[in-house]
Amino acid sequence: ELKVEQNPLFLSMQEGKNYTIYCNYSTTSDRLYWYRQDPGKSLESLFVLLSNGAVKQEGRLMASLDTKARLSTLHITAAVHDLSATYFCAVDMLNILGTSGSRLTFGEGTQLTVNP
Amino acid sequence: SAVISQKPSRDICQRGTSLTIQCQVDSQVTMMFWYRQQPGQSLTLIATANQGSEATYESGFVIDKFPISRPNLTFSTLTVSNMSPEDSSIYLCSVYRGWDGELFFGEGSRLTVL
Repeated sequence: ELKVEQNPLFLSMQEGKNYTIYCNYSTTSDRLYWYRQDPGKSLESLFVLLSNGAVKQEGRLMASLDTKARLSTLHITAAVHDLSATYFCAVDMLNILGTSGSRLTFGEGTQLTVNP
Repeated sequence: SAVISQKPSRDICQRGTSLTIQCQVDSQVTMMFWYRQQPGQSLTLIATANQGSEATYESGFVIDKFPISRPNLTFSTLTVSNMSPEDSSIYLCSVYRGWDGELFFGEGSRLTVL
């Protein structure tokens, strides 16, 4: 059974600082997603990482994937208040043939608060 | 991104009743999924909605409780049957866009069972 663990679960940081959210998963997968959720809202897609070594950047957020270590990171650079939200990583559950099924197992989420 | 519309956006229901949630996508998609997000929790996959065949349910979810229809490539419904307060959650429809691996979510349907 695929397990996905995020840490930290709660993160309070000051504007202008850098920090990294970690996402570990327990079984083989080659596809990982990062989503943002604002209170009372649905999920906004941030990144999809499709291969080992993939790195994507959008604004102050950068995500990477190491499939050998079963680890993804979401790095926040020079945080601003608008980044306050809950961030989820989600891992593709491979099907019985070992291929992508597009069925996701989610981490617990990291609740990020950026303080002025 | 895909435009995914869900109805209702929220509802308050009585114990023992059933509610059907609709998911409409603005383009044809092969794969559609239903997730549940319990209050303050992460998301859990309920089932894959297969067009033209029965849905495929994840461990812990059964067809009698969560019947799903997928009559065509742009539409699906999820019914929450014989509801109890434990069913109070946000139910989200998701679609897979194959060419770039993206998975998008609808706005969610927030269900409160009294």
